[in-house]
Amino acid sequence: DGGITQSPKYLFRKEGQNVTLSCEQNLNHDAMYWYRQDPGQGLRLIYYSQIVNDFQKGDIAEGYSVSREKKESFPLTVTSAQKNPTAFYLCASSIGGSFYEQYFGPGTRLTVT
Amino acid sequence: AQSVTQLDSQVPVFEEAPVELRCNYSSSVSVYLFWYVQYPNQGLQLLLKYLSGSTLVKGINGFEAEFNKSQTSFHLRKPSVHISDTAEYFCAVNPGNQFYFGTGTSLTVIP
Repeated sequence: DGGITQSPKYLFRKEGQNVTLSCEQNLNHDAMYWYRQDPGQGLRLIYYSQIVNDFQKGDIAEGYSVSREKKESFPLTVTSAQKNPTAFYLCASSIGGSFYEQYFGPGTRLTVT
Repeated sequence: AQSVTQLDSQVPVFEEAPVELRCNYSSSVSVYLFWYVQYPNQGLQLLLKYLSGSTLVKGINGFEAEFNKSQTSFHLRKPSVHISDTAEYFCAVNPGNQFYFGTGTSLTVIP
């Protein structure tokens, strides 16, 4: 079955540590996205990539980094510079183009203490 | 700048009753419109989308939405809800470069 996988489902880290969230898709989609979801705030775009080896900052990129070395993979690193990293992180992909819907992974809930 | 407003953060409704979840957007350009559903601790699933053509759009699970350009609205409706419809619903717009999501409406279906 085609889809998007995110691992792990739950992640716990100590403050000051960097952590990398995995996102893999086998839909052959060109574009991939990372969102952060907080209660009552909807989804906010962190980074997106329209093509391999290229990515752009979204609305809340500070404290995050990404890479896109393969079409299938778009890992997100939450660095120690992110002031409030505890959140639900969602990865998505789309064929490309504004009229194509985004397909979402199951999400990773990150808790930093 | 684009913005999406979901007017109701929480909507309780009795089982088998009709429901409407409201969504308004602001945009100076034409947009594509979407509704997504999210069950607890899961990703988002597409319910329906409006790209062009008929302003009444039918989606999965018996949901439909109507695009009203003059009122810049895209309200979601279902004539008879089930317990399984309890979830968070997100309206989203795409003016051509990026998705913008509303803050969500939590629908609770009461037995």
